[in-house]
Amino acid sequence: GENVEQHPSTLSVQEGDSAVIKCTYSDSASNYFPWYKQELGKRPQLIIDIRSNVGEKKDQRIAVTLNKTAKHFSLHITETQPEDSAVYFCAASRDQKVTFGTGTKLQVIP
Amino acid sequence: EAQVTQNPRYLITVTGKKLTVTCSQNMNHEYMSWYRQDPGLGLRQIYYSMNVEVTDKGDVPEGYKVSRKEKRNFPLILESPSPNQTSLYFCASKYSRDHNEQFFGPGTRLTVL
Repeated sequence: GENVEQHPSTLSVQEGDSAVIKCTYSDSASNYFPWYKQELGKRPQLIIDIRSNVGEKKDQRIAVTLNKTAKHFSLHITETQPEDSAVYFCAASRDQKVTFGTGTKLQVIP
Repeated sequence: EAQVTQNPRYLITVTGKKLTVTCSQNMNHEYMSWYRQDPGLGLRQIYYSMNVEVTDKGDVPEGYKVSRKEKRNFPLILESPSPNQTSLYFCASKYSRDHNEQFFGPGTRLTVL
């Protein structure tokens, strides 16, 4: 089955700096890669996603890049703000099965 | 209001006592799924359903059952709960297999003693 590894497990950045979270996956047939943000005590919410036929996608301060050959994808958050503090999960999906990474706890220090 | 609801939100039970966690969505979504979330392990998919009477196993289906008799409901059944099923459970739904965004329910925190 699919295996998704996510790094780092924790990340602290100063407000205004950029944050990068990286994930690798094992199943070359995975074709959909969402990123979720989960605030403390809340449900996961989709923040950005990318399909395997696209290399990069951007939405304001958030971007995702995908390297299908190397089987890795990354989340980039620029100009971080304290409200970006949360746990972020990557996931890889094929045929409606979804495998999540183990999460990255991002702390943005004011 | 469009939403996914789960009941109960919190449950403490004992080993072996059958329980059901309900999940309901009012968005006419075809796809529904159950996940468990454990510290350090992220979310793991238990079962998913692409439509009424169509269910399939995720990565960790052992010890769980599901049913999809109606489009809006997707209950998770633990026939004989064990302490290793203590976890935070999320139900999620999306419009169809070709749509991306899953909407998650509020979660059910289950403790099995």
